[in-house]
Parts: sequence; C-alpha cells; structure tokens
Amino acid sequence: GDSVVQTEGQVLPSEGDSLIVNCSYETTQYPSLFWYVQYPGEGPQLHLKAMKANDKGRNKGFEAMYRKETTSFHLEKDSVQESDSAVYFCALRKEGRRALTFGSGTRLQVQP
Amino acid sequence: DSGVTQTPKHLITATGQRVTLRCSPRSGDLSVYWYQQSLDQGLQFLIQYYNGEERAKGNILERFSAQQFPDLHSELNLSSLELGDSALYFCASSVKVAGYYNEQFFGPGTRLTVL
Repeated sequence: GDSVVQTEGQVLPSEGDSLIVNCSYETTQYPSLFWYVQYPGEGPQLHLKAMKANDKGRNKGFEAMYRKETTSFHLEKDSVQESDSAVYFCALRKEGRRALTFGSGTRLQVQP
Repeated sequence: DSGVTQTPKHLITATGQRVTLRCSPRSGDLSVYWYQQSLDQGLQFLIQYYNGEERAKGNILERFSAQQFPDLHSELNLSSLELGDSALYFCASSVKVAGYYNEQFFGPGTRLTVL
C-alpha cells in the first residue's frame, strides 16, 4: 500500500538555522505531494504542494522538490523563525484517489 | 479560518456509548472527508462523501458510519465506543474541478475522549 515516512519526530533548530525535514514516499503511481502544517488547537492546513516530478513547492520561504528518482519530498528553509514552530506533515495523494495519506509528522520547535 | 466548521469542539463520553460529530463544509464544496488523528496511528483517512454519496472508504471501523445530507453537512456516527477511539476527528472539504479534487481544507476538529 501507499506510505509516507518522516524520519524525524522532532527537530529543535535555533532561530536563523537552516532546516531540512525529511519525507520519503512509497506508492505504485506518481502521486501529488503535499506538506501540511498544524498549529496547536487547529486542523492541518496546506503549506505547499507539488503535482508532478521536478515541481518545486514554495511558501513563506519553505521549499520542497518532488524527486521521483529518490521518491522524496524534503522540506527545506534557509533560515527558520520562531513563528515557524508547528507540526509538519508530509502527504501524498494518488492520481484518481481522493484521500490523503499522511506521514507521522515532524514537530518543529525553533529555539529563540 | 478554513471555512470548515465542526461541532462540538470537545466531547467526553463513556465506553459503550454512541456519539455524533457534525461538519459543515466550505461554501460551494461538495466533497467531505473524515480523518482520525491519534497518537499511535497518526492522521488516517476514514471516509469521503461527494454530494450525498459515499465515494471512498479508508480505515473506518464497522462501528463507525457517516452520511452527508442534502444541505451538504456531514455527520460521523461512532457507536459502541472503546477507550481506543479517543482521538481528534477532523473533517475536510474540497471542490471538484474538471474531474479533479482540489486542495482539502480542514476544520478545527472534534476532540473525543472516551472514559
């Protein structure tokens, strides 16, 4: 079946550090890929997306490149801010499917 | 604010009971999805409705059921509740354009606690 793996449960960078949050996926087709962000007490909200291989999603200084060869969609940012602190979920949606398959989430806690 | 509303925000009940969670999608969205978020299982898709009809099923238990009404709001019914059903339940909605389902917008969730 489909799966999304996020290897880090929590990352604790300092403000101004660069960031990479890993996401790998496994599926039989070429999916659309997403990063959702969840703040305390709220539902997940779409952060960025990439619909096909070699697309790059961008939002608020974050980027993620859809890499078909390595089946990855890592989330990157050059310089994190305290306000970026949240839980980030990587997700996929197969073509023709309706539901999202989520990774386990990575809690980003930026230290002041 | 995503435009998706869910009630109640919190629900505390006992094992064996039955509860109903309610969701109103964004204006114009015909598709409603239900997801369960728990500490051990993460965010898991339960079921999807489109314009009143069930369209996709995920890891939904037989004790759980859902429906979408003519005004497009949806209800998730959970019965014979067990301790392990304690979780956050999210509703999401999306619009279908040219045969494709667009971005899903999530509501704030209902936190269910089964004692």
